[in-house]
Amino acid sequence: ETGVTQTPRHLVMGMTNKKSLKCEQHLGHNAMYWYKQSAKKPLELMFVYNFKEQTENNSVPSRFSPECPNSSHLFLHLHTLQPEDSALYLCASSQVGSTAGELFFGEGSRLTVL
Amino acid sequence: SQKIEQNSEALNIQEGKTATLTCNYTNYSPAYLQWYRQDPGRGPVFLLLIRENEKEKRKERLKVTFDTTLKQSLFHITASQPADSATYLCALLSGNTPLVFGKGTRLSVIA
Repeated sequence: ETGVTQTPRHLVMGMTNKKSLKCEQHLGHNAMYWYKQSAKKPLELMFVYNFKEQTENNSVPSRFSPECPNSSHLFLHLHTLQPEDSALYLCASSQVGSTAGELFFGEGSRLTVL
Repeated sequence: SQKIEQNSEALNIQEGKTATLTCNYTNYSPAYLQWYRQDPGRGPVFLLLIRENEKEKRKERLKVTFDTTLKQSLFHITASQPADSATYLCALLSGNTPLVFGKGTRLSVIA
């Protein structure tokens, strides 16, 4: 396994369902992120975890609930979503303190809410 | 308000020409500016970083400039190829805030 792995790649759910997105990074990084990417909009930062502690929560609705059990794993728990939540959800990792601070992204989970 | 704008939503160029993509920002004082490439249905991939005290950075056929007076970065791909067709995102790192991304420019290189 290399890089950042996201599962599932595609998810269709009804508004009353509960599901989870999973992200795993194999890079030894100490920070992990969830981004939302909608058509014709910039990447929107949702959550940041540095050393497993949540440091950013950009006014994300409570129907999205992150969990970071260790520095390699990140989850996004979804419940009672709305159709406008349909988007590509991207997980990323980085090494805090590195000069470049570049993000390494997974392939994304394409979510469709019916 | 703080904004980061990539002026063209889409750009079409002929194979072999130089593609130039623009990224402008307002009300930021970025320490770094980064460029990413994103292919359809895939996550973005980091390409280049340029620091506030650097004017230009090169990597193979890629060149990035950074003008903090104009608050602008230009991203050039020389001798463009159809395989360069993708969406290119600029992102900046300012203070303690995490990376902020532009909407991206979709580049199509026509053979």
